[in-house]
Amino acid sequence: GAVVSQHPSRVICKSGTSVKIECRSLDFQATTMFWYRQFPKQSLMLMATSNEGSKATYEQGVEKDKFLINHASLTLSTLTVTSAHPEDSSFYICSATSRGNQPQHFGDGTRLSIL
Amino acid sequence: QKEVEQNSGPLSVPEGAIASLNCTYSDRGSQSFFWYRQYSGKSPELIMFIYSNGDKEDGRFTAQLNKASQYVSLLIRDSQPSDSATYLCASPRGSGNTGKLIFGQGTTLQVKP
Repeated sequence: GAVVSQHPSRVICKSGTSVKIECRSLDFQATTMFWYRQFPKQSLMLMATSNEGSKATYEQGVEKDKFLINHASLTLSTLTVTSAHPEDSSFYICSATSRGNQPQHFGDGTRLSIL
Repeated sequence: QKEVEQNSGPLSVPEGAIASLNCTYSDRGSQSFFWYRQYSGKSPELIMFIYSNGDKEDGRFTAQLNKASQYVSLLIRDSQPSDSATYLCASPRGSGNTGKLIFGQGTTLQVKP
């Protein structure tokens, strides 16, 4: 089945650090990738939609200068949390799809802890 | 009314029973539906998808879609404690073919040994 690889799985770092998370589709070309955030016992929250070769579309309330997204190829999207603070600590999950009506396949997620 | 709606549960069933998870949707134009399973602390995992009216079976799982009544369900036969998780119903958002999904709030299933 479709495989999406997300790396790293866990990050612990000091406040003010920038953190980059990678998301790769391993066996299909992902025309669209998505970035979600999930706080404990809460629902998935879509942060942004990323299409290869174009600027990401951010959901309302998500700071684009804080969460930089780059979708450089059909198999790779990155999310950089810039100058991270403790309130950015969360579970970040990427997903990818090959076409609009196809299911999204999720990466394993990145647990980010900012001290 | 939420676009995709699920009962948050928890739904508790004994081991070996059939678990029935339900989802209703408001957009009559919705064509595809996906069921994801999410274990606590893990990311969602696709377990079933259905595009046509009727039933679709895969092992112990059966997805049912009724477009006239606007509901989609997931049946889990011979439920096991390892099936205990949150089950998310999802459908693509609108007709823009963006790939965005609308998720229900998820139903927590507890299978008791």
